[in-house]
Amino acid sequence: DAKTTQPNSMESNEEEPVHLPCNHSTISGTDYIHWYRQLPSQGPEYVIHGLTSNVNNRMASLAIAEDRKSSTLILHRATLRDAAVYYCILDAGNMLTFGGGTRLMVKP
Amino acid sequence: DAGVIQSPRHEVTEMGQEVTLRCKPISGHDYLFWYRQTMMRGLELLIYFNNNVPIDDSGMPEDRFSAKMPNASFSTLKIQPSEPRDSAVYFCASSLTGAHGYTFGSGTRLTVV
Repeated sequence: DAKTTQPNSMESNEEEPVHLPCNHSTISGTDYIHWYRQLPSQGPEYVIHGLTSNVNNRMASLAIAEDRKSSTLILHRATLRDAAVYYCILDAGNMLTFGGGTRLMVKP
Repeated sequence: DAGVIQSPRHEVTEMGQEVTLRCKPISGHDYLFWYRQTMMRGLELLIYFNNNVPIDDSGMPEDRFSAKMPNASFSTLKIQPSEPRDSAVYFCASSLTGAHGYTFGSGTRLTVV
């Protein structure tokens, strides 16, 4: 499986935008980029996914580099409820393999 | 939609006992996944099913672990005999189209003493 690299942790101030980076230099042409997050004491939840083009939904935006070797999850206005572990995952099939993720801390 | 339903939420058992974890996927979802989460190893995929058929069980740690999906609305993960190192949170997830848009259950926290 292609591997992703994320910072272990990041801090943000409430109501400010957050950019969570992910490197995936060995991505193949058919790998989708998925983002999930896990709030404390809960199961992971789907955030967003994309292949080549940037994607937006009600939760976040996904910016994918032109060479697809990196991507950035953008939370436009962080709230305290966004404090979670964010996972960037590649997949070319049906299975998702979770790495360590980035622990996002949001300060009031 | 009640989401993915797992039971029990918490389970405490003694070493050597049999443990059965249960999962009801979202109706219409063809894929079902079992994950285990520990502090040391993070989230590990144990096994997944497509249309009730096990597709990949390479993550199942050893023969003590078994999983079944007798019908589209029910799956079990069984550990027999249980050991303290099996203590973890076990998550079930389902999806409509494979890797896109998993929905996870709330998990079962298993403690083996």
